[in-house]
Amino acid sequence: AQKVTQAQTEISVVEKEDVTLDCVYETRDTTYYLFWYKQPPSGELVFLIRRNSFDEQNEISGRYSWNFQKSTSSFNFTITASQVVDSAVYFCALGSGGSNYKLTFGKGTLLTVNP
Amino acid sequence: NAGVTQTPKFQVLKTGQSMTLQCAQDMNHEYMSWYRQDPGMGLRLIHYSVGAGITDQGEVPNGYNVSRSTTEDFPLRLLSAAPSQTSVYFCASSYQGLSSYEQYFGPGTRLTVT
Repeated sequence: AQKVTQAQTEISVVEKEDVTLDCVYETRDTTYYLFWYKQPPSGELVFLIRRNSFDEQNEISGRYSWNFQKSTSSFNFTITASQVVDSAVYFCALGSGGSNYKLTFGKGTLLTVNP
Repeated sequence: NAGVTQTPKFQVLKTGQSMTLQCAQDMNHEYMSWYRQDPGMGLRLIHYSVGAGITDQGEVPNGYNVSRSTTEDFPLRLLSAAPSQTSVYFCASSYQGLSSYEQYFGPGTRLTVT
């Protein structure tokens, strides 16, 4: 069975602070995808990144970075110099068997960035 | 491209009523999925389809039916609505390929069952 755990239910930071959102996953598949989605207060789901199980390279995109470690089954997401517009619920998700259409989501982390 | 569209945006049903949530995509994606989002629960997969005429159950299929007669459309039917089906429903589509990175999500349908 697939499982995604986002242990942090809510995080509150002050603007310009760095913040890391944790994601731990469980799967027996050797091929899988990991995703991060952002859900702002408006409610839509915004794709941030996909990482496949064979690629453990960390990735940086502007103020966002992701750290994938198979040894600890973690795929953590860091926002550097947070901004108020980063306030949202962030979901980590796992695509079983290498699929991108049967996703198992974590329960999400509500990030509030205060001015 | 309109992407993934869902109708209606809001719906209120009485217990026992039936209805269909519509989902359409214009990206010629093979794969489509339905999720429900409940407070504190993340998104959970209801049903999915890997192509026209092919559907399968996800994690929480009870009380819902789907069919896929065309590539573009993937309606979700509530047979006899129950208060436990009060939720936000998201439809998503994707294609499988080396350059495919994401599921594209619709804007959601907020359903309340009284």
